[in-house]
Amino acid sequence: DSGVTQTPKHLITATGQRVTLRCSPRSGDLSVYWYQQSLDQGLQFLIHYYNGEERAKGNILERFSAQQFPDLHSELNLSSLELGDSALYFCASSPRTSYNEQFFGPGTRLTVL
Amino acid sequence: DAKTTQPNSMESNEEEPVHLPCNHSTISGTDYIHWYRQLPSQGPEYVIHGLTSNVNNRMASLAIAEDRKSSTLILHRATLRDAAVYYCILRDGSGGSNYKLTFGKGTLLTVNP
Repeated sequence: DSGVTQTPKHLITATGQRVTLRCSPRSGDLSVYWYQQSLDQGLQFLIHYYNGEERAKGNILERFSAQQFPDLHSELNLSSLELGDSALYFCASSPRTSYNEQFFGPGTRLTVL
Repeated sequence: DAKTTQPNSMESNEEEPVHLPCNHSTISGTDYIHWYRQLPSQGPEYVIHGLTSNVNNRMASLAIAEDRKSSTLILHRATLRDAAVYYCILRDGSGGSNYKLTFGKGTLLTVNP
């Protein structure tokens, strides 16, 4: 158990819909990262937040957005969902003392039908 | 991001050492070498990282070539629980807040009882 929690564990929805994935980092960690893992693209970095501010953006689609709240939990919003958005979405956090180590949550499996 | 090359798969026997190679011939002076692993149905897990010197921790050892163009992750005594996909990742350490990880395809390690 990494200490990072993600909800829900599974999500099944239809094309065109909007969903919100939630992540709670380890206690005391200020950084939150989002990654997408699909069969064809592998594990891809989406976005990094540090203490509520966006720090880096990766291959994140315009239909996707994220934010980190004052209590440090983060949400990833996916809208106008397409079949190709079906994937595992991982959240990770890292401690202030060691940014080199990211602790990953168990992931949210999104299925778009 | 600088590229890494790993074998697609490797096999080992339980309780024997495992040497997982990684080539990164285009590594730059500020690139950190990270290793993560992903067990079946779980999120990635940090294993070890280094810059120039060899590193040891409770999970593994990292041996870095003198010219830094290759590295080897060493599991001293493989167990069945070490069966996973192992990712060798270069992270650009030159920027102040660039902590994103770029995952490749990794090496699938099979451990035989």
